[in-house]
Amino acid sequence: QQQVKQSPQSLIVQKGGIPIINCAYENTAFDYFPWYQQFPGKGPALLIAIRPDVSEKKEGRFTISFNKSAKQFSLHIMDSQPGDSATYFCAASMVTGGFKTIFGAGTRLFVKA
Amino acid sequence: NAGVTQTPKFRVLKTGQSMTLLCAQDMNHEYMYWYRQDPGMGLRLIHYSVGEGTTAKGEVPDGYNVSRLKKQNFLLGLESAAPSQTSVYFCASSLAGGPRFFGPGTRLTVL
Repeated sequence: QQQVKQSPQSLIVQKGGIPIINCAYENTAFDYFPWYQQFPGKGPALLIAIRPDVSEKKEGRFTISFNKSAKQFSLHIMDSQPGDSATYFCAASMVTGGFKTIFGAGTRLFVKA
Repeated sequence: NAGVTQTPKFRVLKTGQSMTLLCAQDMNHEYMYWYRQDPGMGLRLIHYSVGEGTTAKGEVPDGYNVSRLKKQNFLLGLESAAPSQTSVYFCASSLAGGPRFFGPGTRLTVL
């Protein structure tokens, strides 16, 4: 059973577009929600993270929206660039569980020039 | 400051053989994690550690063992490798807040 469900599996947008990646979780014990970016042949890199007491967080062109009641969160990439083409993973973590972190299945993003 | 390093980078095993993957970090991080990555399945947590001398099971711990005898090292062992363990293995570490820095990965093939 997948604890963190991520969609879509893949996404193609034009340069300047705003790709949106969605994630949902079931376990209300999760209390920390990071997003990671991974380029081919590399390990994931932490991009941005949010706690459930905040509904939105922005860092540069990346924004997380969080809906605690719906148990859903999403990543928006403003003014997307070809260099943003990568695989993006959402994740959910439990602070009291030693930060046991579970990943979604990933979204492969391609930004057309 | 090397960050997170993994040894080896590539390995081919025969079914039934054993091996140990080494993860080392020089950032004095408490938390360390082992994940496996398979196509279409994201990263799945194998085992993790919240400090020296501690380990805990993740989502897919069967067939793997771990040890954290020193704070900077987290070892992942396969006692009897199976083809289903063919994967890319990533180690990660952090001070808190989930995995923060990932290693470059170990590509393991079990024939």
